Amino acid sequence: GAGVSQSPRYKVAKRGQDVALRCDPISGHVSLFWYQQALGQGPEFLTYFQNEAQLDKSGLPSDRFFAERPEGSVSTLKIQRTQQEDSAVYLCASSFPRDSITYEQYFGPGTRLTVT
Amino acid sequence: DAKTTQPPSMDCAEGRAANLPCNHSTISGNEYVYWYRQIHSQGPQYIIHGLKNNETNEMASLIITEDRKSSTLILPHATLRDTAVYYCIVRSDSSYKLIFGSGTRLLVRP
Repeated sequence: GAGVSQSPRYKVAKRGQDVALRCDPISGHVSLFWYQQALGQGPEFLTYFQNEAQLDKSGLPSDRFFAERPEGSVSTLKIQRTQQEDSAVYLCASSFPRDSITYEQYFGPGTRLTVT
Repeated sequence: DAKTTQPPSMDCAEGRAANLPCNHSTISGNEYVYWYRQIHSQGPQYIIHGLKNNETNEMASLIITEDRKSSTLILPHATLRDTAVYYCIVRSDSSYKLIFGSGTRLLVRP
């Protein structure tokens, strides 16, 4: 079946430009996550949605980062006035509601953002 | 969530078992051990998880020591496609986020 998809796969932005990264989670998945992965590092948590509610945005690095999921399915991560330090792979993951036993997150392929 | 320590890199020969260690000496009683892997240019992929008993699925086996301070992920017959970064993550049942470390870069040699 279809997995998590992300678009675009690659994005080059000039410093100062705004970008929008899209995530299509697996159909029916309630939870959605965004992670940022710098080169050579493990992914770092950015934000978490349960349906349309953003329950945790503690990992967003600055107020230039904004995420939304207005209808509880597709999500968009927006970065305003991009800086070179924003260059990274942005990963989206989704999961079923968690139960007490398993909590597997399914990841998309990521969007590689390069800010020049 | 408890911190984990993994060797930065390992290698093994194709067809042999790959044994990837992880230390999690500060793990609490309600924390699970999860393993994910990330193949180049892909997102992380769930492999297996466990609480205190050893676990096995179609991908791998997870051996957790009796004191739960360390664990080993075993790929019984490694193939070239198993070349990836493997992440050991400790997560409590009440925590929704995954906290990745730097992982172990496994190279499977032909």
